[in-house]
Amino acid sequence: AQKVTQAQTEISVVEKEDVTLDCVYETRDTTYYLFWYKQPPSGELVFLIRRNSFDEQNEISGRYSWNFQKSTSSFNFTITASQVVDSAVYFCALSDQNTGNQFYFGTGTSLTVIP
Amino acid sequence: DGGITQSPKYLFRKEGQNVTLSCEQNLNHDAMYWYRQDPGQGLRLIYYSQIVNDFQKGDIAEGYSVSREKKESFPLTVTSAQKNPTAFYLCASSTGETSVNYGYTFGSGTRLTVV
Repeated sequence: AQKVTQAQTEISVVEKEDVTLDCVYETRDTTYYLFWYKQPPSGELVFLIRRNSFDEQNEISGRYSWNFQKSTSSFNFTITASQVVDSAVYFCALSDQNTGNQFYFGTGTSLTVIP
Repeated sequence: DGGITQSPKYLFRKEGQNVTLSCEQNLNHDAMYWYRQDPGQGLRLIYYSQIVNDFQKGDIAEGYSVSREKKESFPLTVTSAQKNPTAFYLCASSTGETSVNYGYTFGSGTRLTVV
């Protein structure tokens, strides 16, 4: 069965600190896709990144970086030099060939960046 | 600009009443979805539709109903049979069969409160 675990429910950091959000997934499929979404206080989920199971290269986009490790079934998200605008709930999600068009979301990590 | 419009943003309902949440998209997406978000539980799939006049139950469909008469519209009715309807409801869309590659586009949500 598919499952996404975000063990960190809430994280608080002081502005300019680095922070890593953990995501561990379970799937029996060899072809799957992983996503991160940001949900600011306004409520809309904003797409951040997608990664397919065949591409284990880490990715960096500005202050954001993602570490994909198939060996540990993890897809962690790091924010460098955090800012107050990063305060949001972050969701990790999984989709594979068996889920069709469905995503399986983790329970989310609420990040608060303190000025 | 293309996107998904959910209305209203806030909705209050008396116990025993049915209420309909609106979701409209102008992205020409084939597939549409309804998710429910509760604190600490992430997003759970209520219903989804991959083509007009067809829809499938998700993980928590009991007490809800949908229709898909037009490609652009996927309204959700929360019926009186839903035991705990107070939640944040998110509508999403995707291109369809390839959504596993490209992810979802989300609306800004409707917060339903039963009074």
